[in-house]
Amino acid sequence: NAGVTQTPKFRVLKTGQSMTLLCAQDMNHEYMYWYRQDPGMGLRLIHYSVGEGTTAKGEVPDGYNVSRLKKQNFLLGLESAAPSQTSVYFCASSYSITDTSLNTEAFFGQGTRLTVV
Amino acid sequence: GENVEQHPSTLSVQEGDSAVIKCTYSDSASNYFPWYKQELGKGPQLIIDIRSNVGEKKDQRIAVTLNKTAKHFSLHITETQPEDSAVYFCAARLNTGFQKLVFGTGTRLLVSP
Repeated sequence: NAGVTQTPKFRVLKTGQSMTLLCAQDMNHEYMYWYRQDPGMGLRLIHYSVGEGTTAKGEVPDGYNVSRLKKQNFLLGLESAAPSQTSVYFCASSYSITDTSLNTEAFFGQGTRLTVV
Repeated sequence: GENVEQHPSTLSVQEGDSAVIKCTYSDSASNYFPWYKQELGKGPQLIIDIRSNVGEKKDQRIAVTLNKTAKHFSLHITETQPEDSAVYFCAARLNTGFQKLVFGTGTRLLVSP
């Protein structure tokens, strides 16, 4: 059981370049999330999805786009990378948090360390 | 919106000592409080959680307490071991809207042998 898998694990981009971070989960979770982790700031929600074909903005969505074409995948895109987007990115998934009969624990991937120079 | 404050930012203890990490939250509508442990190079992993209808929960050497009136919740680790060294995050989840998790800023715990 792989859980939540993120690719790539590391990436260096030049300012203005674009890239897509991939997240895949094999737990049949409805909800998926993208967070960024910066020193002293904890984890901040970028975008999230409550089901296939749906996405919504989190706390810090500017400069990012997402897509959820398949239930198991959640993609995070940077169209024109900026140094301020240097961070560690985490994907997570969970069952629907409105269904209290289910374990609503969020499972995290291992992270993608992105450096924008 | 919800705001979660976490203290201390770093905590050093000797093996066998107890460690306590404290968090406060701002929104009384929050009803779920998980704690995550993040080891170096890995993603956060849930270690214990508590819901607002419970005051305390224990799982072996770790326990969490919740004071709804004061909007405080704390993580207690007893008989600490070197493998407890990690970054610990508290979080709070609102009972309204999307019910997103809001994380604290993390505590780096170092347990020295």
